[in-house]
Amino acid sequence: GQQLNQSPQSMFIQEGEDVSMNCTSSSIFNTWLWYKQEPGEGPVLLIALYKAGELTSNGRLTAQFGITRKDSFLNISASIPSDVGIYFCARPTSGTYKYIFGTGTRLKVLA
Amino acid sequence: DAGITQSPRHKVTETGTPVTLRCHQTENHRYMYWYRQDPGHGLRLIHYSYGVKDTDKGEVSDGYSVSRSKTEDFLLTLESATSSQTSVYFCAISERGTDSYGYTFGSGTRLTVV
Repeated sequence: GQQLNQSPQSMFIQEGEDVSMNCTSSSIFNTWLWYKQEPGEGPVLLIALYKAGELTSNGRLTAQFGITRKDSFLNISASIPSDVGIYFCARPTSGTYKYIFGTGTRLKVLA
Repeated sequence: DAGITQSPRHKVTETGTPVTLRCHQTENHRYMYWYRQDPGHGLRLIHYSYGVKDTDKGEVSDGYSVSRSKTEDFLLTLESATSSQTSVYFCAISERGTDSYGYTFGSGTRLTVV
């Protein structure tokens, strides 16, 4: 089936540290999205990637579309307490109007 | 921010009762989606709509039905609630499906079935 594997499942880091997480797919696609979900809220789009090798930044966040087109990476530099949340990757399903989502990486930042 | 609201925000219901969750948008977007979020499973698609009266099933549609009689409203009904349907339910909207910048999500409905 169509699956997105995210790792790690959870991370506990100290404030100021850099964070890396990734998402892999068994299939090739042309779009990767990264979302962040804060407690009690719905996910919010952070970064969208549309081309293999593409590197896109949004403040302290940087995401990359893997060269193989089967994976994507999200990095957060100099983490702060408000980075806490669940980070989801997502990609479209073939020939449909739908995105599928990864299982999420739960990030906790210790001050 | 996109205008999307879910109601109710929280609900507790008994096993076997029908439950309807509402998603309302003011953006006139064509596509609407219902997802459920459970620990270890991320977000899983229940049903989606690509226009008024046009709906289709997602990966976890058993026990759920939907209706969209107006562009702005997408209703999710649990025909006979079960404890396995205890979850957080999110509605999402999109202007052009996957040919756009992803979805905009509502704030969620936390449903507990006792």
